[in-house]
Amino acid sequence: SQKIEQNSEALNIQEGKTATLTCNYTNYSPAYLQWYRQDPGRGPVFLLLIRENEKEKRKERLKVTFDTTLKQSLFHITASQPADSATYLCALDPNAGNMLTFGGGTRLMVKP
Amino acid sequence: DAGVIQSPRHEVTEMGQEVTLRCKPISGHNSLFWYRQTMMRGLELLIYFNNNVPIDDSGMPEDRFSAKMPNASFSTLKIQPSEPRDSAVYFCASSLGANTEAFFGQGTRLTVV
Repeated sequence: SQKIEQNSEALNIQEGKTATLTCNYTNYSPAYLQWYRQDPGRGPVFLLLIRENEKEKRKERLKVTFDTTLKQSLFHITASQPADSATYLCALDPNAGNMLTFGGGTRLMVKP
Repeated sequence: DAGVIQSPRHEVTEMGQEVTLRCKPISGHNSLFWYRQTMMRGLELLIYFNNNVPIDDSGMPEDRFSAKMPNASFSTLKIQPSEPRDSAVYFCASSLGANTEAFFGQGTRLTVV
């Protein structure tokens, strides 16, 4: 079956450290993968999109990698801050039909 | 643009009643999505419209659920009759199409008692 897996356990890190979140998928060959942030009581907000021919993409303190061989994307937040505390979701379009499908999300807690 | 607008923000209804959720996508976006989010199942795609036409409704859980998009600026998701297991947060999102970011509304928290 097709799956998008993110670590369901919360990730707790100290302020200033780098947070690394993982997104693994099976039985897909997506052309691109997206990362979103969701705060409690709010809808997901887009952060980054990475295409299958891109190995890495950066935006300010954020970095995303995409390994189509391992079927994995890593999401990094450098110099993390308490304001980065949220749930982070990865999403992909499994059949190139513009139907964005989400992983279960990983909750990040950055402690001061 | 004010973003994707959903109404109501909260809805509490009794089992068996009809519930209608509303969504106004961002002007110019040709893709519209309805999602349902629960703790157990995460964010599930229910239905996808492209240019007001339903493209895939395979995520709609049962015949009790229906969605319409009569024009480019309005969509509804209806549940009739509602059941307690329909309690969830329902999100509407819109985008410019494939390979582009989706913009989400603030969601409707539905509670069926």
